[in-house]
Amino acid sequence: DARVTQTPRHKVTEMGQEVTMRCQPILGHNTVFWYRQTMMQGLELLAYFRNRAPLDDSGMPKDRFSAEMPDATLATLKIQPSEPRDSAVYFCASGLVVDGTPSTDTQYFGPGTRLTVL
Amino acid sequence: QQQVKQSPQSLIVQKGGISIINCAYENTAFDYFPWYQQFPGKGPALLIAIRPDVSEKKEGRFTISFNKSAKQFSLHIMDSQPGDSATYFCAAGGRGSNYKLTFGKGTLLTVNP
Repeated sequence: DARVTQTPRHKVTEMGQEVTMRCQPILGHNTVFWYRQTMMQGLELLAYFRNRAPLDDSGMPKDRFSAEMPDATLATLKIQPSEPRDSAVYFCASGLVVDGTPSTDTQYFGPGTRLTVL
Repeated sequence: QQQVKQSPQSLIVQKGGISIINCAYENTAFDYFPWYQQFPGKGPALLIAIRPDVSEKKEGRFTISFNKSAKQFSLHIMDSQPGDSATYFCAAGGRGSNYKLTFGKGTLLTVNP
């Protein structure tokens, strides 16, 4: 059963600490999305990659957030330094985009990383 | 700014009733309109999706109605069950937005037994 995996599932840290979240997309998928979910803002797109290249990171606070894809099986989202307002659930989603294919739009979400910054 | 507006924020229905959630979008370049279902502690999961070349799509008890001229679409859940209690998100995207999805704020559905 192919699924997106995320680690850690829960993270509690103190303000100022570095936080790294990891995502393993579904094998063969070429697009990875990072979302942040809060009660106030709902699901916000932070960044996304296609074929490991960043396509859009305009939703991400540039001064403290960074996203990378070291290889096709791993995406990372890093916050340095973390702040209490970063407390949220962070989701990774993956998809297979083949331009012109009707099923190409589906995004498959991981279980999320619940981050609490004290 | 690309926006998707979703209503209501929360909805309570009785078992067997019809649940209706509405969404409106602005960007006419959108050509893919999915609904996602999210249970507590889980990630959103695709429930049903529609493209603008049809006005309705039905899968079991779930139906999407789509009005292209009004730029609105809605989810209808027939014979609602307690197991349908979850948060529902509409979204819009597709090739016109380079396959990004813009999500509505979500609707918390509670189905009472």
